Parts: sequence; structure tokens; C-alpha cells
Amino acid sequence: GESVGLHLPTLSVQEGDNSIINCAYSNSASDYFIWYKQESGKGPQFIIDIRSNMDKRQGQRVTVLLNKTVKHLSLQIAATQPGDSAVYFCAEYNAGGTSYGKLTFGQGTILTVHP
Amino acid sequence: DTEVTQTPKHLVMGMTNKKSLKCEQHMGHRAMYWYKQKAKKPPELMFVYSYEKLSINESVPSRFSPECPNSSLLNLHLHALQPEDSALYLCASSRVGQEETQYFGPGTRLLVL
Repeated sequence: GESVGLHLPTLSVQEGDNSIINCAYSNSASDYFIWYKQESGKGPQFIIDIRSNMDKRQGQRVTVLLNKTVKHLSLQIAATQPGDSAVYFCAEYNAGGTSYGKLTFGQGTILTVHP
Repeated sequence: DTEVTQTPKHLVMGMTNKKSLKCEQHMGHRAMYWYKQKAKKPPELMFVYSYEKLSINESVPSRFSPECPNSSLLNLHLHALQPEDSALYLCASSRVGQEETQYFGPGTRLLVL
């Protein structure tokens, strides 16, 4: 079946370092991907998205890279701060012929930032 | 404003109780979603409403009954739940269409005793 997964379940970094969170997907028909951040006791918060016609997209301190050849997605966080500590999910969009989106989430990566 | 609100924040209920979860958004979104999230797991889709009509039911047991009374509100009615239904229930909304970002509420933490 189709799935979205993460290579690293946990990532620990020092404050100020750059963080890279990886995600593999298997549905070659997927054309839209979203990264969410979920802090303890909260719902997922949108960080950044990318469409399949792009290889890279930058936001504030975050960059998402998409490699369609190897079906790989990554989230880079620059100058990681303690407030970035959270679980990060990649999500794959599958329209399935409908007009609304069904998101399939990866398993998540726990990012811990040490002061 | 990208806020989705959910009430209550926490809910404890017995297996014979009837309760409801509520979700509200004022972003003009016409697609709304219920997700279930177990501890240390990703969210899993339960229901999708599009233009106030149920579009997707991911084979959810009938003890969960969704309702979309208008374009801003989404309810999830609970009856005769099981302890394994204890989880974080998340509501999300988006514009209708392909590749539209879903915005999530903070969730309701449900404990079934």
C-alpha cells in the first residue's frame, strides 16, 4: 500500500544548530506535501508546503526540499531554537479523484533542542 | 485568521454516556474534517465534510456520529464508546479543492472509562 514514513524517529540538536528532518513517501501520484509541527497538548500547526512542480521552497527559517526521483522530502530548520522542540509530521496529499484533500501523515519525528 | 476552535479541551466519559465534541471555524472554509490521534501516533482521518455534506467516512464505527449543522460548525456525537476510543480528537478545515492546506484545532482530549 501507499505510505508516508520518516527515517529518524528522534532528533536532538543544540540551540543554534541547523536541523534536518527527513520523510520518504511511496505514492508517486502524490503532488502536494505539507509539514506540520505539533507541540505537546496542541494540534498540528502548518509550517510549510510544497507542490510537486517545485524542488525547494523557503519560509522563515525553514526550507522544504522535494526529490521526486527518490520520493524523498526534507524539512530544514535554520538556527534551531528551544521553541522548535516538537513532533514534526510530513503529510502527503491524495485527492483520489475528489475535490477535497485526504492527508496521510508520516509517523513523526521528535525534535529536541537543547539550550 | 487561521484559527479553528474546539470544545471541550478535555472530556472524561463512561461507556454508557452520550457526549458531543464541537468545532468551529470562521475562515469561510467549506471542507471540515475529524481526525483521531492516539498517543505517539500520527493523526488518522475519520470523516470529511464538503459543503456541509458527509463526503468521506473512513469506516468509523457507528458509535461516532458526525454532524455539520452549518458551514462554520462541526460536531462529533459520541455514544457507547469503548476505552480504546480514548484519544485526541482533532478538527481541521480547509477550502474545498485540491491541494488546499488543512488547518487544525487544538483538539479534545477524550478519556473513556
